[in-house]
Amino acid sequence: ETVMTQSPTSMSTSIGERVTLNCKASQSVGINVDWYQQTPGQSPKLLIYGASNRHTGVPDRFTGSGFGRDFTLTISNMEAEDLAVYYCLQYGSIPYTFGAGTKLELK
Amino acid sequence: EVKLVESGGGLVQPGRSLKLSCAASGFNFNDYWMGWVRQAPGKGLEWIGEINKDSSTINYTPSLKDKFTISRDNAQNTLYLQMSKLGSEDTAIYYCARNLYWGQGVMVTVSS
Repeated sequence: ETVMTQSPTSMSTSIGERVTLNCKASQSVGINVDWYQQTPGQSPKLLIYGASNRHTGVPDRFTGSGFGRDFTLTISNMEAEDLAVYYCLQYGSIPYTFGAGTKLELK
Repeated sequence: EVKLVESGGGLVQPGRSLKLSCAASGFNFNDYWMGWVRQAPGKGLEWIGEINKDSSTINYTPSLKDKFTISRDNAQNTLYLQMSKLGSEDTAIYYCARNLYWGQGVMVTVSS
């Protein structure tokens, strides 16, 4: 099973800040990584698929990158509505696996 | 518009079974692999499994393979999740998923 390790577990941020979230796979998964955003009480929303493709309607301040084992989600200009938990998902090998999440909070 | 609507959740006693459904619309259901994901209260996301277009290939996360069964009815545009021998650890929101799209989820509570 491919283990996805997200870092940091939580992060205190400020509005307007640039935020970088990381996800590391225990083995190569190519570009088969998605990023999801979950706000309290809501279902997860897909932000990025295939490591770097923005889903329909996702603001361009969200950027995904990476290949193989190391992946990054960057929020270029943090907004209040971005306070959420972010999960990475690998689908390069069965079983698909999620990271444990990174929680973004306000300083 | 792609829509995935889960149903069949609720309160179930430990040891019992439950079958969830996911009604799909807005796309050609026959053309897509479909899957299930769950999230226990206050916890992270867990991939349950997936089924291919003609049901000839079904993959599960190993820890759930003997308890859960995924199936589909392409004529009815519906995905199913049969859950057996339920325990408190199965209390969660269950999401139906397609490539790029998820449903809103259905809550399953296992309790006496």
